[in-house]
Amino acid sequence: DTEVTQTPKHLVMGMTNKKSLKCEQHMGHRAMYWYKQKAKKPPELMFVYSYEKLSINESVPSRFSPECPNSSLLNLHLHALQPEDSALYLCASTSGRGRSNYGYTFGSGTRLTVV
Amino acid sequence: AQSVTQLDSQVPVFEEAPVELRCNYSSSVSVYLFWYVQYPNQGLQLLLKYLSGSTLVESINGFEAEFNKSQTSFHLRKPSVHISDTAEYFCAVSSYNQGGKLIFGQGTELSVKP
Repeated sequence: DTEVTQTPKHLVMGMTNKKSLKCEQHMGHRAMYWYKQKAKKPPELMFVYSYEKLSINESVPSRFSPECPNSSLLNLHLHALQPEDSALYLCASTSGRGRSNYGYTFGSGTRLTVV
Repeated sequence: AQSVTQLDSQVPVFEEAPVELRCNYSSSVSVYLFWYVQYPNQGLQLLLKYLSGSTLVESINGFEAEFNKSQTSFHLRKPSVHISDTAEYFCAVSSYNQGGKLIFGQGTELSVKP
C-alpha cells in the first residue's frame, strides 16, 4: 500500500457544526502532516506529527484541533469554522527519518466548504 | 529562512512544443528540491526530486529538472508536451534543519493547447 487515504472527499458544514477529517496510511511512515490549500495558491503547512507527537503547529487557530491516535491515523477536528476556512485540506506522510523523510506522499484531499 | 520563487504564474504552450518552468530558491544550507504536479480537483503528486548525487533528475513521464547550485535554480523541462500535462506545477524546497517541512513556490499553471 503506497497511498495516503483521506475521507471524506467533500464536506459542507455550518459554522456551528463539529466535524472531523480523517487521514490514513499503511506505509509505516512515522511523520504525518496537515496542509491547507486555497484556490490557485500553494499548500500551507498547518501541523506536523512526528512519531505520534505534535512537533510543529504553524500558529493555527484553535478551531482546528489535530489528533494522532496511532502511527497510521491522523485526524483534524473542526469546530466553529468560518467561511474563510473553506479550502482543500491535504494530508501527507513521510518516513520520518533520514533522507527518505523528504519523500512526501500526499492524499487527494478533502474539499471543505463552510456555509 | 528558505524561500522558493516560481518566475511564471502561467505558461501557455501548444501541444508537442518544448516547455521550461522556472524555479529559483534561496537557502543558507544545503537543500532538497522537489517538483509536484496537481491536476484539477486532485491532491499533489511528486514529479521528481533532488536529494543528492546527479544534478539531472528525470521523471517517468518525460519531465526532467537540473539542480544548479551556482544559480540556485531547479528548472523543470519537457521536450514535447501533451494535452494531459495541463496542470498546476509546484516547486518546493526542504533541508535537514526543517524537520521535513516543505516550502512551496507560488505555482505555475501549465496550459497545453491543441
